[in-house]
Amino acid sequence: DGGITQSPKYLFRKEGQNVTLSCEQNLNHDAMYWYRQDPGQGLRLIYYSQIVNDFQKGDIAEGYSVSREKKESFPLTVTSAQKNPTAFYLCASTTRGGDQETQYFGPGTRLLVL
Amino acid sequence: QKEVEQNSGPLSVPEGAIASLNCTYSDRVSQSFFWYRQYSGKSPELIMSIYSNGDKEDGRFTAQLNKASQYVSLLIRDSQPSDSATYLCAVKADKLIFGTGTRLQVFP
Repeated sequence: DGGITQSPKYLFRKEGQNVTLSCEQNLNHDAMYWYRQDPGQGLRLIYYSQIVNDFQKGDIAEGYSVSREKKESFPLTVTSAQKNPTAFYLCASTTRGGDQETQYFGPGTRLLVL
Repeated sequence: QKEVEQNSGPLSVPEGAIASLNCTYSDRVSQSFFWYRQYSGKSPELIMSIYSNGDKEDGRFTAQLNKASQYVSLLIRDSQPSDSATYLCAVKADKLIFGTGTRLQVFP
């Protein structure tokens, strides 16, 4: 089955700890994205990558880091500098097709602070 | 001014009725428009995309786009309780921007 997988489904972070969220896709999509969703708010873009070994900051990149060493994988690290990390994190991917490219989402990871 | 605006709802409709969800956007150069459905605790699922003015129908769903008025809507005919969810409007100019969503409740 083709799709986007995220793990873990739930993640607990202690104060001062860095945690990494996994995102893998087997859709052969070039571009991948990380969003954060808070209750009552829309999706906010954290980072995106349009090609391997290249990524750009989104609207709320502070306290996060990413890597894109393989086309299939785009892990997100939530660092200790992110003071309010509790949220629902969504990974998405898309083909590069100009204006008609469509984003598809993984199932999400819910991050909670202990 | 928000770039993509939606009424947060909830919009309550009886089973079998037509649900009408609306979205306005601010960037006139926007070219692509999407509707996603998000069930509570789940990730967004694409249900419709529309790129040109007019109506686009897919089963019980119809998307309507009016670029002059910067307005896109989603109609759900014969609404079912299983349609109860939050519907996110997304608009793409240079990047994809999401609205905060409208919560739809369909009651039996």
